[in-house]
Amino acid sequence: DIQVTQSPSTLSASVGDRLTITCRASQSINNWLAWYQQKAGQAPKLLIYRASSLESGVPSRFSGSGSGTEFTLTISSLQPDDYATYYCQLYNVYWTFGQGTKVEIK
Amino acid sequence: QVQLVEFGGGVVQPGRSLRLSCAASAFTFSNYAMHWVRQTPGERLEWVALISYDGSNVFYTTSVEGRFTVSRDNSKNSLYLHMSSLRVEDTAIYYCAREGRGTRLRSFDLWGRGTFVTVSS
Repeated sequence: DIQVTQSPSTLSASVGDRLTITCRASQSINNWLAWYQQKAGQAPKLLIYRASSLESGVPSRFSGSGSGTEFTLTISSLQPDDYATYYCQLYNVYWTFGQGTKVEIK
Repeated sequence: QVQLVEFGGGVVQPGRSLRLSCAASAFTFSNYAMHWVRQTPGERLEWVALISYDGSNVFYTTSVEGRFTVSRDNSKNSLYLHMSSLRVEDTAIYYCAREGRGTRLRSFDLWGRGTFVTVSS
């Protein structure tokens, strides 16, 4: 089975900060990688698909990059609405989620 | 508006069964593969099951294979998950999720709000 490692598990940040979250797969996943944002009491929301494509309606401060086994989600300038938990999700035969990164107020 | 709404969660004893439903609205349900994804009390997300757009193909995560059955009724815009031989570790929020099409393939572009399932004696 493919393994996924998402880091860090927690990020303390201030408004305006640039944030990077990393997701590593144990084998190449051909860019079948998505990123989601989840706020308390809500379902996950798709931000990025195919590693780097921005979902419609998602602010341009969010971006995704990477290929093969290592991928990143970047928030260029953190906004108050961005405090949430972020998950990567990869596909290789089946679907696997990362452990999540909670972005909290510094 | 475009949405998914889950029903049927609750508290059930280990070994018993439960059936979840998911109602889709404002999109062509029969065009999309659909999934069940669950979130444990520790907030870990776990993919549970997939059913193809026409119901001809189904796949399950290993831990539920043989116990859970996913089905759909495209005439009713509805998705189902029949869960049997429930275990304490099946306790979770269960989401139905739509798999994207085209370049959004293999990602989940629409989620329901979830329904809670608690397995406890």
